[in-house]
Amino acid sequence: AQTVTQSQPEMSVQEAETVTLSCTYDTSESDYYLFWYKQPPSRQMILVIRQEAYKQQNATENRFSVNFQKAAKSFSLKISDSQLGDAAMYFCASSGTGNQFYFGTGTSLTVIP
Amino acid sequence: DVKVTQSSRYLVKRTGEKVFLECVQDMDHENMFWYRQDPGLGLRLIYFSYDVKMKEKGDIPEGYSVSREKKERFSLILESASTNQTSMYLCASSFGGARPRYFGPGTRLTVL
Repeated sequence: AQTVTQSQPEMSVQEAETVTLSCTYDTSESDYYLFWYKQPPSRQMILVIRQEAYKQQNATENRFSVNFQKAAKSFSLKISDSQLGDAAMYFCASSGTGNQFYFGTGTSLTVIP
Repeated sequence: DVKVTQSSRYLVKRTGEKVFLECVQDMDHENMFWYRQDPGLGLRLIYFSYDVKMKEKGDIPEGYSVSREKKERFSLILESASTNQTSMYLCASSFGGARPRYFGPGTRLTVL
């Protein structure tokens, strides 16, 4: 079984600053994927970014990037130039072979104007 | 534009009632999911369907059943609602694999 841990229930960032959300995972599989989802208040959850474990290069999507440390089983999300619209609950998740897919407990991000 | 819709945003039911939550996707996805979201617990998978009439239990299937008679529609059924089923319910779909790609807006269910 896999586990996903988000140790920061709440985070805040000043608008235009950079924030990093932490995520660690535990898996015995060699082939797996990692994800960050964003759930804005009263809006649908969306996939922000994903990383294939076999790829060494960190995934990037505009202002969102990940720091994937495979040996440490760490998968943090960095949001650069934070905007008010980035305020949301962020979930880290992992999947392996078969139908296994696990979410973390989430980090609530507040963006301060 | 990709769409996953859920029949209700908010629902209030009484203990013991039979409750139907419906989810429809318009992307011809094989896979559909029902999750329950609770503060501090993240999202937990209730059921997963990988084809019409095919389903698999997730992590917390007790007290729930599902129905998938058509590819685009996946229903979650609470046979006899209880107060501990008060929660946010999220539906999702994907084309392949057990990785939810698109989510619905959620149904906040309150059982009194």
